[in-house]
Amino acid sequence: QKEVEQNSGPLSVPEGAIASLNCTYSDRVSQSFFWYRQYSGKSPELIMSIYSNGDKEDGRFTAQLNKASQYVSLLIRDSQPSDSATYLCAATSPGAGSYQLTFGKGTKLSVIP
Amino acid sequence: DTEVTQTPKHLVMGMTNKKSLKCEQHMGHRAMYWYKQKAKKPPELMFVYSYEKLSINESVPSRFSPECPNSSLLNLHLHALQPEDSALYLCASSLFPDLNEKLFFGSGTQLSVL
Repeated sequence: QKEVEQNSGPLSVPEGAIASLNCTYSDRVSQSFFWYRQYSGKSPELIMSIYSNGDKEDGRFTAQLNKASQYVSLLIRDSQPSDSATYLCAATSPGAGSYQLTFGKGTKLSVIP
Repeated sequence: DTEVTQTPKHLVMGMTNKKSLKCEQHMGHRAMYWYKQKAKKPPELMFVYSYEKLSINESVPSRFSPECPNSSLLNLHLHALQPEDSALYLCASSLFPDLNEKLFFGSGTQLSVL
């Protein structure tokens, strides 16, 4: 069974610090990886996508992928209270005739002013 | 237009009722999805439509019936639901049903079954 594992947290960081969110996945053929942010009672919002090994930066966000270790991470620099949310890691794998996006259980981040 | 629009935002229904959830996108996306999310849990895939055809049904009970009338619309018909079906129902779309495509979610319908 394809699994995406995340530390559920909560992860608390002070305002201005770097928040580091981690994710591992079990399916070696997973090819695409996504980070979604979800505020309480709201729908998931795509923050980052990453498809190849290495780092990908977008503003204050950096996604890191290591396929050999089956590991994905998200760094949030200069964390703000508005970043407080649950962050969902997701991985896409090919299936029979289609593909599946599997979500981790999410890490709750709290940024303390 | 970069939105996936879901209606209604909230729905309360009895176990004998029939209701429908609606989803609409005008981004030209050819894949549309229904997800179910319980509190403090990740979204769980229910159905996938690729080019208006049902391509994935994740063993969802028949009391949930999806419909894709055209490339912009996706419905989820509900009948004889159980209280444990209470959840946030999320519609999503992607440009193509492809491994690398990003999913864009609607704001969801919060469903309560009494």
